[in-house]
Amino acid sequence: GAVVSQHPSWVICKSGTSVKIECRSLDFQATTMFWYRQFPKQSLMLMATSNEGSKATYEQGVEKDKFLINHASLTLSTLTVTSAHPEDSSFYICSANPRAGSNTGELFFGEGSRLTVL
Amino acid sequence: SQKIEQNSEALNIQEGKTATLTCNYTNYSPAYLQWYRQDPGRGPVFLLLIRENEKEKRKERLKVTFDTTLKQSLFHITASQPADSATYLCALAGSSNYQLIWGAGTKLIIKP
Repeated sequence: GAVVSQHPSWVICKSGTSVKIECRSLDFQATTMFWYRQFPKQSLMLMATSNEGSKATYEQGVEKDKFLINHASLTLSTLTVTSAHPEDSSFYICSANPRAGSNTGELFFGEGSRLTVL
Repeated sequence: SQKIEQNSEALNIQEGKTATLTCNYTNYSPAYLQWYRQDPGRGPVFLLLIRENEKEKRKERLKVTFDTTLKQSLFHITASQPADSATYLCALAGSSNYQLIWGAGTKLIIKP
């Protein structure tokens, strides 16, 4: 089965600093990756769609200058939370769509990254 | 606006019984519907997908039904086990892309 690895699994940082989260597809190539954030007892909220070799598409209300996404290869996408503030504390999860094109739409998720901004 | 509703209250089921979770949606005509399992502090794991023209799908102890008239999907776990305890998410998608609309999930607790 397809495996998506996310790192780090948890991170604590000071307010004003930047944090980078990596999402890797380990055994398949992913032209498209998705970044979500999730608050306790709430649904997954899509932040942006990351496409290899092109700019990410951000959902309405998500600041692209604050949440920088880079998808430089078919196996790696990164999310950088710039100038983090306590309200950015959340659970960030990435998912990937296999390049081979499963038209079932099944998504493979990373383990998630818990960000706490002090 | 499109909306997905899952029972917000935790569902407590005795081990060995069948657990049934509900997913209702409004203002949407999905091409397919998916169910995922999410454990605390982990990413969701895909379980089952059912298409709009399918009434029922089974996988081992899991069964999903899809009623497009009622705009509802039911997710059943038969012979439930404590290891089935988790939050179960439903998600809907159109036919043209992989972007899903997610429910908030229902927490299932299987008591031994």
